[in-house]
Amino acid sequence: DQQVKQNSPSLSVQEGRISILNCDYTNSMFDYFLWYKKYPAEGPTFLISISSIKDKNEDGRFTVFLNKSAKHLSLHIVPSQPGDSAVYFCAASRARFGNEKLTFGTGTRLTIIP
Amino acid sequence: DAGVIQSPRHEVTEMGQEVTLRCKPISGHDYLFWYRQTMMRGLELLIYFNNNVPIDDSGMPEDRFSAKMPNASFSTLKIQPSEPRDSAVYFCASSLGSGLYNEQFFGPGTRLTVL
Repeated sequence: DQQVKQNSPSLSVQEGRISILNCDYTNSMFDYFLWYKKYPAEGPTFLISISSIKDKNEDGRFTVFLNKSAKHLSLHIVPSQPGDSAVYFCAASRARFGNEKLTFGTGTRLTIIP
Repeated sequence: DAGVIQSPRHEVTEMGQEVTLRCKPISGHDYLFWYRQTMMRGLELLIYFNNNVPIDDSGMPEDRFSAKMPNASFSTLKIQPSEPRDSAVYFCASSLGSGLYNEQFFGPGTRLTVL
């Protein structure tokens, strides 16, 4: 039972355009959400996060939006750069409950076309 | 800081053999996590430790899998006997403390192939 879903296995975007990666979750107890980025032959690295008390968090070119009623979050990258080509994982946790577990999605492979 | 260290980086073995994966967390981190990455299921949490004590092993797929953390700087994940369906990339991650800031630092992974 996949509680965190990334329904697009891959996405291609032109350099300079906006990349939008989507993530859906089913567990309403999740209250903290993270995006991790993974390059080939490396481990995932933390990118950006958002608490359920917010609906938006921005860090430079990266913005994460959270729609709690729809149980949906998205990561916007603008403008997209070739170095953004990677696999992006969405993750969720029950941080308020002191739960250290992260539940990850299956990932979306983003390719930025020069 | 060296980051999370995993060994070996690649492991090829035959079905039925024992496989041991190793992890050295970041010094001072008190949480250690073992994940498995597959195309179908993404990153799955297998087990995690707090201060060397296993907290949740509900993700361990079968009794063939076991994990230990004898001290704060070393952990192993063992598969005995291994099967072809165990082929995956196994990641170790560590973090400092719990609560809202659950940033986990991942190692480079071990790619396991069971023939």
